[in-house]
Amino acid sequence: EDQVTQSPEALRLQEGESSSLNCSYTVSGLRGLFWYRQDPGKGPEFLFTLYSAGEEKEKERLKATLTKKESFLHITAPKPEDSATYLCAVSTGGGNKLTFGTGTQLKVEL
Amino acid sequence: DAGVIQSPRHEVTEMGQEVTLRCKPISGHDYLFWYRQTMMRGLELLIYFNNNVPIDDSGMPEDRFSAKMPNASFSTLKIQPSEPRDSAVYFCASHLPGYTEAFFGQGTRLTVV
Repeated sequence: EDQVTQSPEALRLQEGESSSLNCSYTVSGLRGLFWYRQDPGKGPEFLFTLYSAGEEKEKERLKATLTKKESFLHITAPKPEDSATYLCAVSTGGGNKLTFGTGTQLKVEL
Repeated sequence: DAGVIQSPRHEVTEMGQEVTLRCKPISGHDYLFWYRQTMMRGLELLIYFNNNVPIDDSGMPEDRFSAKMPNASFSTLKIQPSEPRDSAVYFCASHLPGYTEAFFGQGTRLTVV
């Protein structure tokens, strides 16, 4: 059974304090690893897709990386508007369905 | 495109009543997914369709849940009869062919009292 584990569950940062969120996975045949952001009361919003180990993608203050066992979402010099829950999900050879982790709730304070 | 549209946004119903949730996917997306989100279990896939055909319904919790996709622009998730433990936020998502990103709707918050 595919498993996705995210850590930490919650993270509190000061504005400008860089950090990383972790997503470790155990799957049979990774087709893609996805990062989403979810704000309260809203649906998940797509951030990145990574397909193979060694791949990296960046968007503003966010950078996602992928190894054979885990993915990291690096947040550089975060701002309060980066506060959200960040979800990691995997798509495997069993179909196009996504298996989600339980997320990291990030709060960035002034 | 307006994105994935779900209705209603909020639904409060009494135990035993039938509930129908609706979803309009993004035009041109031939994959459609129904997810349920709770604090305890996070986001769980219930069922997904490809070209209007149900492909995997292994996540549907029990026979009280059913989903249909009569055409490419509309899908429903029905719960009959509803129970308090069905209270959750239900999301619909769609995507293009391949292992591409899924776009989510705003969700329907269901409360069964």
